[in-house]
Amino acid sequence: KNQVEQSPQSLIILEGKNCTLQCNYTVSPFSNLRWYKQDTGRGPVSLTIMTFSENTKSNGRYTATLDADTKQSSLHITASQLSDSASYICVVSEGGSYIPTFGRGTSLIVHP
Amino acid sequence: NAGVTQTPKFQVLKTGQSMTLQCAQDMNHNSMYWYRQDPGMGLRLIYYSASEGTTDKGEVPNGYNVSRLNKREFSLRLESAAPSQTSVYFCASRAVPHNEQFFGPGTRLTVL
Repeated sequence: KNQVEQSPQSLIILEGKNCTLQCNYTVSPFSNLRWYKQDTGRGPVSLTIMTFSENTKSNGRYTATLDADTKQSSLHITASQLSDSASYICVVSEGGSYIPTFGRGTSLIVHP
Repeated sequence: NAGVTQTPKFQVLKTGQSMTLQCAQDMNHNSMYWYRQDPGMGLRLIYYSASEGTTDKGEVPNGYNVSRLNKREFSLRLESAAPSQTSVYFCASRAVPHNEQFFGPGTRLTVL
């Protein structure tokens, strides 16, 4: 069964600090991996997509990495802001499938 | 361009009552999805529609029915609501080829 595991489950950091969120998956065959940001009370929004051939991709202060050999991804947030407080969800798509596999998310709280 | 819209935003039902959650997208996407989100459980797929005219069960379909009314609209029906169906419900549509899902704002349902 395809699985996506995220760690940590929750994280509290001070504004201005960096943090890294982890995602491990067993989805096969791999198509792509997305990181979504979900603000409280809203639907998830895609931050970045990683395909098999990509190792690193940045979107502003967000940098995602992918190691397809070890089936691991990370999302690094630089110089955190209060608005980064949200749940971050790792979603992996299987080749040829309509159904992506969701991780349970990491809840990030940024304190002033 | 409204993206994905859902109605209602909030609903309180009594056990045994029925209701339909409405979802519409204006992005001309073929695939649409219904998820429920519970604390600590992440997003779980209830039903999906790969294309107009088709629907399939997801991970947690019991107690729900769906209708793909046309390419734009995908509704979710609770025939006899139970307290276990208290949750936040998200509708999503999917863009190809990179599988980005666009989510609606959610419906917060409480069953007493």
